[in-house]
Amino acid sequence: DVKVTQSSRYLVKRTGEKVFLECVQDMDHENMFWYRQDPGLGLRLIYFSYDVKMKEKGDIPEGYSVSREKKERFSLILESASTNQTSMYLCASSTSLMTGRYGYTFGSGTRLTVV
Amino acid sequence: AQKITQTQPGMFVQEKEAVTLDCTYDTSDPSYGLFWYKQPSSGEMIFLIYQGSYDQQNATEGRYSLNFQKARKSANLVISASQLGDSAMYFCAMSPRGAQKLVFGQGTRLTINP
Repeated sequence: DVKVTQSSRYLVKRTGEKVFLECVQDMDHENMFWYRQDPGLGLRLIYFSYDVKMKEKGDIPEGYSVSREKKERFSLILESASTNQTSMYLCASSTSLMTGRYGYTFGSGTRLTVV
Repeated sequence: AQKITQTQPGMFVQEKEAVTLDCTYDTSDPSYGLFWYKQPSSGEMIFLIYQGSYDQQNATEGRYSLNFQKARKSANLVISASQLGDSAMYFCAMSPRGAQKLVFGQGTRLTINP
């Protein structure tokens, strides 16, 4: 069964800590994405990547960075966590060859709490 | 820029009734795709249905159908014969053709009552 795996389901971190959220996909997809989900705001795109070592800013990149050293792995980094980054983080992947109706495959999400 | 609007924060429906979840979108692109996703309490996003802007017929997938009204920029999801397992958050999303990223609406929380 193909999947996108996020390393942690729940995470609690302290303000100012450097936080790594890991995402791995086993579908050989070119594209990977990080979204955050907040009540009433839906999902908002943080960063995405079309290829290894390639990244592009989404709609809300401030306070975040990403790394994609291997095709299957896309990491989201909070350089200095703040309480306003408490949220649900969703990773997704898609293939460039089968766009549109096949959509994305999502991970189960990481619920991050910054205290 | 693309925008998706879901005006129903929450809906309560009796089991076995049909449900319509509203979605309107705004884009100047002539070519785009529209998606609906379901998110149960477990958190995972489940793909339900897709409609291309040039598709002549409304998309259907089992109990799900998409009521696509292009002139009104509307893409409502219709669930026939609702079941208790349909209780979840539902998100409408759009992607310009040729672009990979999705723009999501705010979501609608659907509760099916027995």
